[in-house]
Amino acid sequence: ETGVTQSPTHLIKTRGQQVTLRCSSQSGHNTVSWYQQALGQGPQFIFQYYREEENGRGNFPPRFSGLQFPNYSSELNVNALELDDSALYLCASSSGPVDEQYFGPGTRLTVT
Amino acid sequence: AQSVTQLDSQVPVFEEAPVELRCNYSSSVSVYLFWYVQYPNQGLQLLLKYLSGSTLVKGINGFEAEFNKSQTSFHLRKPSVHISDTAEYFCAVRQNTGNQFYFGTGTSLTVIP
Repeated sequence: ETGVTQSPTHLIKTRGQQVTLRCSSQSGHNTVSWYQQALGQGPQFIFQYYREEENGRGNFPPRFSGLQFPNYSSELNVNALELDDSALYLCASSSGPVDEQYFGPGTRLTVT
Repeated sequence: AQSVTQLDSQVPVFEEAPVELRCNYSSSVSVYLFWYVQYPNQGLQLLLKYLSGSTLVKGINGFEAEFNKSQTSFHLRKPSVHISDTAEYFCAVRQNTGNQFYFGTGTSLTVIP
């Protein structure tokens, strides 16, 4: 059984650019949740995708957007990057919206 | 919205000593409670969870936690720590009717040889 994978591992972008982060969910899981973890902080919920539809959103601006594909993998897109977007981005997959979440290793984004 | 407070940002403890990591949450509704561990440059791994039933929950690696509804606490304990327990520990809460996890700011546990 393959766990949750994320790509890329690290990424450096310039302020104002756009970035796409990818997440492959665990086999059999139809739900993906995305979190932002700033340095020294706990993860903060960005949004969740369930069966290709957004299913809940945290307190993040619209420039944070996402997609879920028919195979339940997911993308997180961030437009107009700001310095404060520098963080570890975690995705978690689950077999349903309220089921136990399994986390990937994260993508570390640095915005300069 | 929920809030989760981890009172200790850093906890140093000697090897084989007991440890308690504290977690309090604010909620007037029923919640599910979780403890996760994060090793350097890795994602989160679930240690244990409380959904219902017995208030004493046992998890992996010898950890346990006790749910105290009246004190809105869910403290994590281990009777004897090992060097390999050095990591960041996060407490998380989810309303039993919702899908959003709320995490605390984490406690860095350092086990001293």
